[in-house]
Amino acid sequence: AQKVTQAQTEISVVEKEDVTLDCVYETRDTTYYLFWYKQPPSGELVFLIRRNSFDEQNEISGRYSWNFQKSTSSFNFTITASQVVDSAVYFCALSSNNGSSNTGKLIFGQGTTLQVKP
Amino acid sequence: KAGVTQTPRYLIKTRGQQVTLSCSPISGHRSVSWYQQTPGQGLQFLFEYFSETQRNKGNFPGRFSGRQFSNSRSEMNVSTLELGDSALYLCASSPRGLLNTEAFFGQGTRLTVV
Repeated sequence: AQKVTQAQTEISVVEKEDVTLDCVYETRDTTYYLFWYKQPPSGELVFLIRRNSFDEQNEISGRYSWNFQKSTSSFNFTITASQVVDSAVYFCALSSNNGSSNTGKLIFGQGTTLQVKP
Repeated sequence: KAGVTQTPRYLIKTRGQQVTLSCSPISGHRSVSWYQQTPGQGLQFLFEYFSETQRNKGNFPGRFSGRQFSNSRSEMNVSTLELGDSALYLCASSPRGLLNTEAFFGQGTRLTVV
């Protein structure tokens, strides 16, 4: 079975604090892809990062960084020096190719609501 | 480059009615997926169409159906609406699937069933 777990339902921080959003996934596939999306109040899901299962290199993009660890099946997301504009719901998602076919199917975690207070 | 466009943005329907939602993917994208988002169940995959064929299907009853046209535009239909169908329906497109790229999402259609 494929599953994504975001154990943190809501997180509240004060501006400029660092915050880490946890994501744990389950899949039997050896080839899979992990994603993070941000959902502001407007509703649209905004893509943040895509990582394939063969690339465990951590990534940093400005204030955002991601830590991918296959050994613990985790793909955590850290925001450094958080800002009010970071307030949103963040989703971790998994996609696998189910063997040989390509797919557009994403399995989402339940999401983490991040509130950054001024 | 235009993004994914979903119409209408808001809908109010009565129980028992049917509804059709539309999604226009990014030009050149052939994969279109639909998701239902509710507070209780979160984001759930409905189905995916690729080159006018349903390639993947989620665990939803047969009242939920879809199709894709030759220009890659997609529609989803929900028949015999139930109160529990009230949700935000999101459409996503990608060139061929997620092996090589991310999914791009529309702003969604918020359906309210009364």
